[in-house]
Amino acid sequence: KNEVEQSPQNLTAQEGEFITINCSYSVGISALHWLQQHPGGGIVSLFMLSSGKKKHGRLIATINIQEKHSSLHITASHPRDSAVYICAVSPSRGGSNYKLTFGKGTLLTVNP
Amino acid sequence: GAGVSQSPSNKVTEKGKDVELRCDPISGHTALYWYRQSLGQGLEFLIYFQGNSAPDKSGLPSDRFSAERTGGSVSTLTIQRTQQEDSAVYLCASSTTSPDTQYFGPGTRLTVL
Repeated sequence: KNEVEQSPQNLTAQEGEFITINCSYSVGISALHWLQQHPGGGIVSLFMLSSGKKKHGRLIATINIQEKHSSLHITASHPRDSAVYICAVSPSRGGSNYKLTFGKGTLLTVNP
Repeated sequence: GAGVSQSPSNKVTEKGKDVELRCDPISGHTALYWYRQSLGQGLEFLIYFQGNSAPDKSGLPSDRFSAERTGGSVSTLTIQRTQQEDSAVYLCASSTTSPDTQYFGPGTRLTVL
């Protein structure tokens, strides 16, 4: 079992829909990261969070430490949101909090 | 300001040749990371540099892989005697501290024929 599991693997939505991508992890963490990768493009860090909720524009990330679960929400989705969204965790063990473990990503396609 | 840069953007090489991949982190970032993204495999950690501390090389897949960081800035990832399974996108990232938001470079796409 992977330490970081994302669901769904693929998601297709219509423009304007509310999107939720889920991430579950099995290890103790010091932080969780949400990353975005456009096709053929580089990786952009969207959020780093260790508790609660963060919001940036139409993007919202939440984390429940007790349940070892995080969600990324996109409100009023747009075709330009089409990308791979990757969840990654910084483990809390033994001073290796820099060593990110990545989920396999969720491919989001938003159709106009 | 300038982001993380990597060179070359693409590298095609023959099996058995050595390659060098370069990363220029954001100025002032003391932490530097190398990752590999293989088709269907997702991202994996390779190596971590923090200031003048000894790097964490635990993610390097074999002794054909090595990396150095000169003067606390530019880093070079070297792959000796390349194999076809080394074909991947090699990504570099930097951050001010760790854990912290990481800023990724555009990557180097390595193809080993």
